[in-house]
Amino acid sequence: ETGVTQTPRHLVMGMTNKKSLKCEQHLGHNAMYWYKQSAKKPLELMFVYNFKEQTENNSVPSRFSPECPNSSHLFLHLHTLQPEDSALYLCASSQEGRGGYNEQFFGPGTRLTVL
Amino acid sequence: GQNIDQPTEMTATEGAIVQINCTYQTSGFNGLFWYQQHAGEAPTFLSYNVLDGLEEKGRFSSFLSRSKGYSYLLLKELQMKDSASYLCAGGAGNMLTFGGGTRLMVKP
Repeated sequence: ETGVTQTPRHLVMGMTNKKSLKCEQHLGHNAMYWYKQSAKKPLELMFVYNFKEQTENNSVPSRFSPECPNSSHLFLHLHTLQPEDSALYLCASSQEGRGGYNEQFFGPGTRLTVL
Repeated sequence: GQNIDQPTEMTATEGAIVQINCTYQTSGFNGLFWYQQHAGEAPTFLSYNVLDGLEEKGRFSSFLSRSKGYSYLLLKELQMKDSASYLCAGGAGNMLTFGGGTRLMVKP
């Protein structure tokens, strides 16, 4: 595996279900991110983890719960979602702290549909 | 705040040149990124500007004017594969704020 991988690629869930999205980066980076991409809306930053510590929660509802067990893995736990949460969820990673600009590398995303 | 505006859609002809503009209102903002996103795929990095001026990278160039809150992405010698969405994003630390993206359609 290379780059940033995400599983599953597609997920359909009911509003009462609990599911988790998984992201893994194979780039040796120290920062990971969750973004939400809805139709007709800009890509929205949800969470930022630097060195496994959450440094940003961009006013995301508590029905989204991130987890970063190590610098290579990032999860997004989902429970009691709403239909408006249907979107493409993108994971990204970058190497921070070395100066200059820090390009973020994105995974292919999980297409989530909430019924 | 960091309002980032770019046109929703543009159309251009294969072989031509197209300029995609991005304007922003920002504070605490240290650079401007451009990403390309093909339908159903992940965004991929194209360019980054931190200083005023033009950065050239092959067929793609990006320009930044910090005083005017303005950037553009210039695509030369357009190819059909350049049909994609182009996302402008302002960076502050490792936080990116994206515009809505410009969907470029390249026609033969």
